[in-house]
Amino acid sequence: NAGVTQTPKFRVLKTGQSMTLLCAQDMNHEYMYWYRQDPGMGLRLIHYSVGEGTTAKGEVPDGYNVSRLKKQNFLLGLESAAPSQTSVYFCASRPLYGTATQYFGPGTRLTVL
Amino acid sequence: GESVGLHLPTLSVQEGDNSIINCAYSNSASDYFIWYKQESGKGPQFIIDIRSNMDKRQGQRVTVLLNKTVKHLSLQIAATQPGDSAVYFCAENLSGNTPLVFGKGTRLSVIA
Repeated sequence: NAGVTQTPKFRVLKTGQSMTLLCAQDMNHEYMYWYRQDPGMGLRLIHYSVGEGTTAKGEVPDGYNVSRLKKQNFLLGLESAAPSQTSVYFCASRPLYGTATQYFGPGTRLTVL
Repeated sequence: GESVGLHLPTLSVQEGDNSIINCAYSNSASDYFIWYKQESGKGPQFIIDIRSNMDKRQGQRVTVLLNKTVKHLSLQIAATQPGDSAVYFCAENLSGNTPLVFGKGTRLSVIA
C-alpha cells in the first residue's frame, strides 16, 4: 500500500513552458486535493475533486487546471508556467466517510525560471 | 534545505521536556480538528485528530486538547525527542464535505 504518490519529485521549467503533475492514491479515496506551499504562507488549496469526473476550484486556482479521469489519479496542469508558480506542490486524498483527515503525498518541488 | 516555513513562530525545547503547541481556529461551527507534522523536505503527516464533541484525546506521547469556548486547540508532546523537530500545524473541518482550513504552523526545535 503506497498511499499517495507524486510524480515528479523535482522539476525546473522555463517561463511559458507547460507541464503536468501526477498524483496517484491506492486507498480508494473519493476526495483528492492539490495544494501549494510557499514560505510563510502555509498550505493553499488550488483545486480539489470530490469524485471521478468532478473538479472544483480552491483558494488559488488561477494558472492551473486539473483533471480526474480515474478515481485513483488527479492531474495538475500548468499551461504556461510563470515564476510566481515556483513552489512545493502537495497532493492529498481522503475517504468519503468516516474521517475528514487528508493524507498527503511527498510533494513536488517546482522551479520556474 | 527546506525553505517552507521560513518565517514561522518557533518553539525551542530541551530534549526530554514536554512541548505544547497552540492553535487558534477560526470557525465555531468546525466539527473536526487535526494536527499534522511536517519534517523538512516531506509531506505533512497525520498525528492525531479530535472531534468537536470531545475536549481531550490521547495518542502515543501526544495529547490534543480542545477548548471550544475560546476556539483554541493545543498539541502536547511528552518527553520531546530530536525526531520531533518539525513544523506542526492544525487543521479544522467546517463540515463533512468542505476542504480543511490549515493554520500557518509552528516550528518545533528540540535542543539535545
